[in-house]
Amino acid sequence: EVQLVESGGGLVQPGRSMKLSCAASGFTFSSFPMAWVRQAPTKGLEWVATISTSGGSTYYRDSVKGRFTISRDNAKSTLYLQMNSLRSEDTATYYCTRDPTTGIPHYFDYWGQGVMVTVSS
Amino acid sequence: DTVLTQSPALAVSPGERVTISCKASESVSTRMHWYQQKPGQQPKLLIYKASNLASGVPARFSGSGSGTDFTLTIDPVEADDTATYFCQQSWNGPRTFGGGTKLELK
Repeated sequence: EVQLVESGGGLVQPGRSMKLSCAASGFTFSSFPMAWVRQAPTKGLEWVATISTSGGSTYYRDSVKGRFTISRDNAKSTLYLQMNSLRSEDTATYYCTRDPTTGIPHYFDYWGQGVMVTVSS
Repeated sequence: DTVLTQSPALAVSPGERVTISCKASESVSTRMHWYQQKPGQQPKLLIYKASNLASGVPARFSGSGSGTDFTLTIDPVEADDTATYFCQQSWNGPRTFGGGTKLELK
């Protein structure tokens, strides 16, 4: 059974940093691109970033470029999202997701339960 | 960015057929995907590439469309289908989602 378990969320002040982790199990982690998708409270879904199987290619939405870094450790089957210079508009539930395709980001066939990030003073 | 427009809400009775629409601001070929999100839960993939049923999803769900107009159909609707349904495109630029259609059962 595919499982994605996020951790590392919480309350953080504007301008500070936070790192999210996602522990994957039930599939060959190194064979799949992975992504983060977020959802602000009572809002819709927003793709944040995707990373290729090797980690050699990364893709970001414009609003997080230069502030967020997606990375992975295939030996540990773990996905990360380093978030710097956080803003109030980054407040959301962050979902770890799997992309079942190769190449450029496509869609998301498995989702974690999500972790809440609140940016507030 | 490609904007995906969905109707905000629908209300149907169990046993009926319901169609949920998603209109793209520009062509996305057949790179449209559908998700179901129940309250307090993470989204679940239903349909990928416009018309392909995801693994484990009941055959009551189907998808169609190409270009700018897409439809998710549930036939027949069951009480457990109460949820918000999102479309998502993967053809142009950053991956974008529709605002969601909240399906309520009468």
